[in-house]
Amino acid sequence: KAGVTQTPRYLIKTRGQQVTLSCSPISGHRSVSWYQQTPGQGLQFLFEYFSETQRNKGNFPGRFSGRQFSNSRSEMNVSTLELGDSALYLCASSQDYPYEQYFGPGTRLTVT
Amino acid sequence: GNSVTQMEGPVTLSEEAFLTINCTYTATGYPSLFWYVQYPGEGLQLLLKATKADDKGSNKGFEATYRKETTSFHLEKGSVQVSDSAVYFCALSDPSGRGGSNYKLTFGKGTLLTVNP
Repeated sequence: KAGVTQTPRYLIKTRGQQVTLSCSPISGHRSVSWYQQTPGQGLQFLFEYFSETQRNKGNFPGRFSGRQFSNSRSEMNVSTLELGDSALYLCASSQDYPYEQYFGPGTRLTVT
Repeated sequence: GNSVTQMEGPVTLSEEAFLTINCTYTATGYPSLFWYVQYPGEGLQLLLKATKADDKGSNKGFEATYRKETTSFHLEKGSVQVSDSAVYFCALSDPSGRGGSNYKLTFGKGTLLTVNP
């Protein structure tokens, strides 16, 4: 089975711009989660989707949003980028919570 | 709420040394426990898991036992290799949904392991 794929792998954006990141889960997995990883804050939960429904959202401002499509693929969007949004954004898929999550390679976002 | 505490790193060992990375947790329900590993420039890989008390997860020579009485899930390996150099994360999922852990993994801060030849 193919693993979780994320595109793009690297992004450089300017403050104030917006960005969309994409995640394709493992075939058959209906749960997709997003995490932000930074050296200072570690791994922080952004949100989780199951069958196109957001079931939980982390403590992030409204500039961070996401969605899931009927084929379980997911996107996350960050509007009005700030320097502090520079991070590795990780997507993970699972058959359902609380089973193990499988992570993609991440998208490295740099905001200048 | 739920939380995971890992030993502070970094940990530096010589090849073939014994490894222990301590992990303790706080959870309101009966969590599942995981160890993930992250190699430089990559995402997280599931290393092993345990879903109930006294379960032992094992993979690639690594082991961890789910100890409910001590709320611990320590990672061990008898003989580390240079290729084991990475960051290791302990994590839990809580099916009870209480403690603010609905539908998310709660991670420790990670422990950087460096193995020298």
